[in-house]
Amino acid sequence: GNSVTQMEGPVTLSEEAFLTINCTYTATGYPSLFWYVQYPGEGLQLLLKATKADDKGSNKGFEATYRKETTSFHLEKGSVQVSDSAVYFCAPGGSNYKLTFGKGTLLTVNP
Amino acid sequence: DAGVTQSPTHLIKTRGQQVTLRCSPKSGHDTVSWYQQALGQGPQFIFQYYEEEERQRGNFPDRFSGHQFPNYSSELNVNALLLGDSALYLCASSLSGSSSYNEQFFGPGTRLTVL
Repeated sequence: GNSVTQMEGPVTLSEEAFLTINCTYTATGYPSLFWYVQYPGEGLQLLLKATKADDKGSNKGFEATYRKETTSFHLEKGSVQVSDSAVYFCAPGGSNYKLTFGKGTLLTVNP
Repeated sequence: DAGVTQSPTHLIKTRGQQVTLRCSPKSGHDTVSWYQQALGQGPQFIFQYYEEEERQRGNFPDRFSGHQFPNYSSELNVNALLLGDSALYLCASSLSGSSSYNEQFFGPGTRLTVL
């Protein structure tokens, strides 16, 4: 089955700092890759996705590129805001449809 | 456009009891998946329903069962509750056969506490 390894948190940054959250995965087949975000007390929201090698997903200033050769899907943002404080989950989705989540990375952005 | 809705929001039960959680998928979606998220952990896949049948199941005991109705809504049932079943239960819906076939949209979750 699929598995994912995410950068251990928590990550604490100042506003306007550069963000990278590493994600590597193992998978059978050729999964789509997703980043989900979870704000306190809420469910998960899809942040961005990529469905094939070298695809770049982007949304709200966040980006991640599907790197098949390194089985990675690292999340980046050039300038974080306080409102970006949340837990971020990387998830490969296999051909059998289920999403496999890591433990998540807690991001705190200070003013 | 209504998103995924879940009920109830919170629930408190005692060990040994049974619980039923409900989910209505996003409009136009036909597939419902359930996940369990323990505190401080990522969601774990329980099972998925499509065309009123369980299509796939994660590593959960038979105490966890589900159902999907003709209108695509779904229920998750847990019997003989254990303390370890305390978690946030998330429902996610998706559309089978779409180009992003496994893009799933999540509801706000039901927080279950077992005492």
